[in-house]
Amino acid sequence: NAGVTQTPKFRVLKTGQSMTLLCAQDMNHEYMYWYRQDPGMGLRLIHYSVGEGTTAKGEVPDGYNVSRLKKQNFLLGLESAAPSQTSVYFCASSYHGQGKTEAFFGQGTRLTVV
Amino acid sequence: GENVEQHPSTLSVQEGDSAVIKCTYSDSASNYFPWYKQELGKRPQLIIDIRSNVGEKKDQRIAVTLNKTAKHFSLHITETQPEDSAVYFCAASNRNTGGFKTIFGAGTRLFVKA
Repeated sequence: NAGVTQTPKFRVLKTGQSMTLLCAQDMNHEYMYWYRQDPGMGLRLIHYSVGEGTTAKGEVPDGYNVSRLKKQNFLLGLESAAPSQTSVYFCASSYHGQGKTEAFFGQGTRLTVV
Repeated sequence: GENVEQHPSTLSVQEGDSAVIKCTYSDSASNYFPWYKQELGKRPQLIIDIRSNVGEKKDQRIAVTLNKTAKHFSLHITETQPEDSAVYFCAASNRNTGGFKTIFGAGTRLFVKA
């Protein structure tokens, strides 16, 4: 049981390049999320998904797209990277039900856009 | 939109003293309030949570209190130890019609001096 796994762990992009961050969870969670973490600003929600085939915008969705083609995977895409997207990105997943709704986080992806 | 404010941004205490972190939220529909601890370079991990039908919850040296009327909740750490040094995030979740979205505070960096 690996929990939540993100790939890659580190990446450097040039302005204008595109890339996709992959998040995979093996806990059969319905909900998945992408956050970015910047100094002094905590964790800000980019996009989230409440189930396979559905996505929704979070607090800071501009410049990002997501897809949830399979329940266990949630992809975050940057079509044209900008220096303002330099950040640490965290994926998370959670169970939807009467019990605990704790979010489990991946180990993070440090992205630098130059 | 929904907002969670967290104070203080930095907190320094002597080992053995207590630490208190406070958060306020804007969405009156929020009904789940988790607290996460993030050690340097690691992923956030849940340490305690509270639901809206409970006013206080305790787990060993940590406790959370919730005042739904005032829309604020607090984390209390007693008998602090150097290993408590980390960034702590409060969060509030809003179970809306379509999903389950968690909004985080900006974080509190706690230093426990030996």
